[in-house]
Amino acid sequence: KAGVTQTPRYLIKTRGQQVTLSCSPISGHRSVSWYQQTPGQGLQFLFEYFSETQRNKGNFPGRFSGRQFSNSRSEMNVSTLELGDSALYLCASSPTGGGQPQHFGDGTRLSIL
Amino acid sequence: DQQVKQNSPSLSVQEGRISILNCDYTNSMFDYFLWYKKYPAEGPTFLISISSIKDKNEDGRFTVFLNKSAKHLSLHIVPSQPGDSAVYFCATQYNNNDMRFGAGTRLTVKP
Repeated sequence: KAGVTQTPRYLIKTRGQQVTLSCSPISGHRSVSWYQQTPGQGLQFLFEYFSETQRNKGNFPGRFSGRQFSNSRSEMNVSTLELGDSALYLCASSPTGGGQPQHFGDGTRLSIL
Repeated sequence: DQQVKQNSPSLSVQEGRISILNCDYTNSMFDYFLWYKKYPAEGPTFLISISSIKDKNEDGRFTVFLNKSAKHLSLHIVPSQPGDSAVYFCATQYNNNDMRFGAGTRLTVKP
C-alpha cells in the first residue's frame, strides 16, 4: 500500500512569492491534515480536510490556504511568502480523522530567501 | 499557545536501559493521546496511543502512562535500543478533528 506522497520534497522561493504544495493520501483515506514544523516549535496544525471540506483550522494567517479534491488529494497554498514561512510542511492522512493515528508523508522543505 | 508541552528537548540513555519521555498538557478536556517517532528526513510515524479511560497502554517495549489528575503522560521504552534514537512527539486530539503536538524530545540511545 503506497504511503502518503508529498511533492515537491524541496522548494526555494523568495519573499512575496506564492507556493503550492501537494499531498496524495493513502488510498481510501479521506481525512488530510497539514502541519508546519519549525525548530523548537514541534508540529503546528494548519488545517484538516475531509470530503473536500475544511473541518478545522489552526491559528495561521489567511495567507495559508488549502483545498481537497474529490479523489482526496490535497494542496496547500501560501501567498506573499515571508522569511518566517521557511519550514518543513507535513501532510498526514487517516481514514476519517477524529484523532485516528495519522500517516505522514516525508514533507516538503520550503526555504524562503 | 502551547497546549501540549515536552519540556525536555533532549534525552540520552545507555542501550538496554529505560528511556522515559514526558509530556504535559493544559486542557483537562483532552481525551486521547498519541506518541509519534520521527527519524531525520522522514515524516513522523505513529507509535502508541492511550485513551483517557485508561491509565496505561503497553505495546512490546513501549508503554504509555497517563496521569489525568496531573495532566501528564509519559512514554517508557524498555529496553532502549540504538534504533530508538529519534525525535518523539506527544500529541492530543483537540476539537475532534485536529491534533496538537508537543515540540518533541530528541532521544539518543548510546551503544
